[in-house]
Amino acid sequence: DVKVTQSSRYLVKRTGEKVFLECVQDMDHENMFWYRQDPGLGLRLIYFSYDVKMKEKGDIPEGYSVSREKKERFSLILESASTNQTSMYLCASIQKIGTGSYEQYFGPGTRLTVT
Amino acid sequence: GNSVTQMEGPVTLSEEAFLTINCTYTATGYPSLFWYVQYPGEGLQLLLKATKADDKGSNKGFEATYRKETTSFHLEKGSVQVSDSAVYFCALRGTGGFKTIFGAGTRLFVKA
Repeated sequence: DVKVTQSSRYLVKRTGEKVFLECVQDMDHENMFWYRQDPGLGLRLIYFSYDVKMKEKGDIPEGYSVSREKKERFSLILESASTNQTSMYLCASIQKIGTGSYEQYFGPGTRLTVT
Repeated sequence: GNSVTQMEGPVTLSEEAFLTINCTYTATGYPSLFWYVQYPGEGLQLLLKATKADDKGSNKGFEATYRKETTSFHLEKGSVQVSDSAVYFCALRGTGGFKTIFGAGTRLFVKA
């Protein structure tokens, strides 16, 4: 079974703190994603990575950065946390299963509260 | 650009009732369409998918048909159970791409 794990299920941080959210997948997938999930807005893509040290901005990258030093690990960094970054953060990886066809796997999510 | 619109929730049903959650999309080309489910405290799981027009995806009693003429992919289940209570997301992925666009999600409550 594909497994995507996230380092914390719940996290409480103070405004201005630097926050690291870690994600690990065990299936050698090249592509990994960070989303945030907010009520009424669904999932919005923050950043994705298509290979080690490669990254691309998603739809809402402001206030975030990412790191992909190893294939299995994709980290989301909040350089200076703000209250509007309180949200559920979901990591995902994707597996190519055929020409132009992919299967996406999600981690359990990290609920981050910034006070 | 591509987008997905799904009906707002919450939807509250009694056990054994019929479920429909509407989903429409805007996309160029021939996207693949998905329904994901998120049970309380968990990440998203793929529920079903369809990759071309008139395909029907099905799983666990849920069904959805890819209707290109109406750009819709409505989720249906004939008889819901309490264990179906969750948030359901409609999503699409563009032709040949791996970025997924999600709808806002619809929360379903099923009462015993």
